[in-house]
Amino acid sequence: DAMVIQNPRYQVTQFGKPVTLSCSQTLNHNVMYWYQQKSSQAPKLLFHYYDKDFNNEADTPDNFQSRRPNTSFCFLDIRSPGLGDAAMYLCATSRRPTSGSVGETQYFGPGTRLLVL
Amino acid sequence: SQQGEEDPQALSIQEGENATMNCSYKTSINNLQWYRQNSGRGLVHLILIRSNEREKHSGRLRVTLDTSKKSSSLLITASRAADTASYFCATVSGSARQLTFGSGTQLTVLP
Repeated sequence: DAMVIQNPRYQVTQFGKPVTLSCSQTLNHNVMYWYQQKSSQAPKLLFHYYDKDFNNEADTPDNFQSRRPNTSFCFLDIRSPGLGDAAMYLCATSRRPTSGSVGETQYFGPGTRLLVL
Repeated sequence: SQQGEEDPQALSIQEGENATMNCSYKTSINNLQWYRQNSGRGLVHLILIRSNEREKHSGRLRVTLDTSKKSSSLLITASRAADTASYFCATVSGSARQLTFGSGTQLTVLP
């Protein structure tokens, strides 16, 4: 079945130790998103790719970086995790909106829960 | 910034009852979507309603949209214990095209 896969499901890292979360998709969607979701809060968009075009949200900290080497894979790099970065990180994909489209459905992976010690 | 606010924040009902969740937003939208999230999992898309639509149905789900009041509601009829989850509305506005999520409603359906 076509899907969005996130690895690992749980990640433990140490304060200040770089960590990479990965996302892959078999949907062949053009757009990939990374969200941060803290406990009992709404998902917050960090950045997204339209194909290879990177779009950073204005309030995403510089500590968060992303790479998309090809259509199928996208990575979230946290350069120096702090205690406040402990959260669920969600990857999502969607088709690229076509002319006249009013926003596409997003397909989410199961998330990676990050714990910072 | 958060676009949508949802109420109630938490809702607890008995199996078989209907559950209604409301979402209000601040700016004009292109469409509004509802997502469901089981505890510790990713989000699952439920339904999309466009700005020129007023009501939409999908199985036991009924969504309404009132653009004059900038609000939407999600009705789940004949609820089941398996409907227990958090429900989020999300809006798409202007040329941005990405989703902005509301604060969510935690629904608990008691068997």
